[in-house]
Amino acid sequence: GENVEQHPSTLSVQEGDSAVIKCTYSDSASNYFPWYKQELGKRPQLIIDIRSNVGEKKDQRIAVTLNKTAKHFSLHITETQPEDSAVYFCALLNTDKLIFGTGTRLQVFP
Amino acid sequence: ETGVTQTPRHLVMGMTNKKSLKCEQHLGHNAMYWYKQSAKKPLELMFVYNFKEQTENNSVPSRFSPECPNSSHLFLHLHTLQPEDSALYLCASSQVGSSYEQYFGPGTRLTVT
Repeated sequence: GENVEQHPSTLSVQEGDSAVIKCTYSDSASNYFPWYKQELGKRPQLIIDIRSNVGEKKDQRIAVTLNKTAKHFSLHITETQPEDSAVYFCALLNTDKLIFGTGTRLQVFP
Repeated sequence: ETGVTQTPRHLVMGMTNKKSLKCEQHLGHNAMYWYKQSAKKPLELMFVYNFKEQTENNSVPSRFSPECPNSSHLFLHLHTLQPEDSALYLCASSQVGSSYEQYFGPGTRLTVT
């Protein structure tokens, strides 16, 4: 079945630095790629998503890029803040269900 | 944060017990999901119900038995579980054919002793 690889599994950055998380996939039919954030003790929540008809989408300090040819998409967080510390999951849509990556634990140190 | 609710929030059960987890969504969605979250597999899809019909069963052991009586309610019946089944069980709902955004419940923290 479809598989999503996510890297890195952990990421530590200094406050104010940028963070990049990358996911690769194999099914070229996927056309919807969301990112979820799960803070400690809370439920995962959608933070940004992108559809295959665009290459980049930005929402304030977060952006997602998609390269359909190379089958990878990335989450970019600029000017990181301590409240960005969480586990981030990439996902893709596969026949009406989401396939999630293995998660990246981001720690932002003040 | 009240769109998807789950009860109980915490559950401790012995390996011979039978218990049920409940999920309810108030968003008018047409699909509901059960996920298992543990340190080994952060978000593992277990079951999918689309318009009350089970469309996915990801090789889940038969000691987990889902039930979806209507599009707003989802149950996970548990019996003769193993200690390795201890995990956070998350329910989610979405509108298939529309936005596909999944709304998660707060989860049930299950401990099997």
